[in-house]
Amino acid sequence: GIQVEQSPPDLILQEGANSTLRCNFSDSVNNLQWFHQNPWGQLINLFYIPSGTKQNGRLSATTVATERYSLLYISSSQTTDSGVYFCAVGHYGGSQGNLIFGKGTKLSVKP
Amino acid sequence: DAGVIQSPRHEVTEMGQEVTLRCKPISGHDYLFWYRQTMMRGLELLIYFNNNVPIDDSGMPEDRFSAKMPNASFSTLKIQPSEPRDSAVYFCASSLASFYNTGELFFGEGSRLTVL
Repeated sequence: GIQVEQSPPDLILQEGANSTLRCNFSDSVNNLQWFHQNPWGQLINLFYIPSGTKQNGRLSATTVATERYSLLYISSSQTTDSGVYFCAVGHYGGSQGNLIFGKGTKLSVKP
Repeated sequence: DAGVIQSPRHEVTEMGQEVTLRCKPISGHDYLFWYRQTMMRGLELLIYFNNNVPIDDSGMPEDRFSAKMPNASFSTLKIQPSEPRDSAVYFCASSLASFYNTGELFFGEGSRLTVL
């Protein structure tokens, strides 16, 4: 099946710093989403981005489908950005109802 | 619009007891999913429904687990009898479309289950 690898697994930042999180996938995808799980456990949908670039405030994401990777950019990080960021993909070789999740990048933003 | 609503948020029970988790998906969403999250196994898809019909329950760990969706606005996940290894956070999520298309997944806040 398709493999989803996220890097780095852990990231510690000082408040105000910028960061880039990466998601590599091993096969063509037709669906790609980024999620943020905050320290209270809530899973928040950040982006639906199977290709192209999107921006939402300090966050932006780019997916280069032909190169099989996606990047999540966080600028001017804040302590509220702490948590785990998951990339998840859907593909025609899999189930229409199953997103394949990466293991996540755990981000800690220090004040 | 209201998001996915789950109840209870926390449940502590003793081994052998029946546990029922409830979910109300986002109105108009045709797909409903039950996930389980543990430190060891991460996020696991247990079962999903399309238009109230169970489509894939291959992730349901044992016969002790069952899920129903009697109508478009309500689903339950039941564990009977519960065991300590069932302790986890159970998420319900919904989507307007399938992941073959432009389906975006929206999660509820989760139900944290502890079985003593």
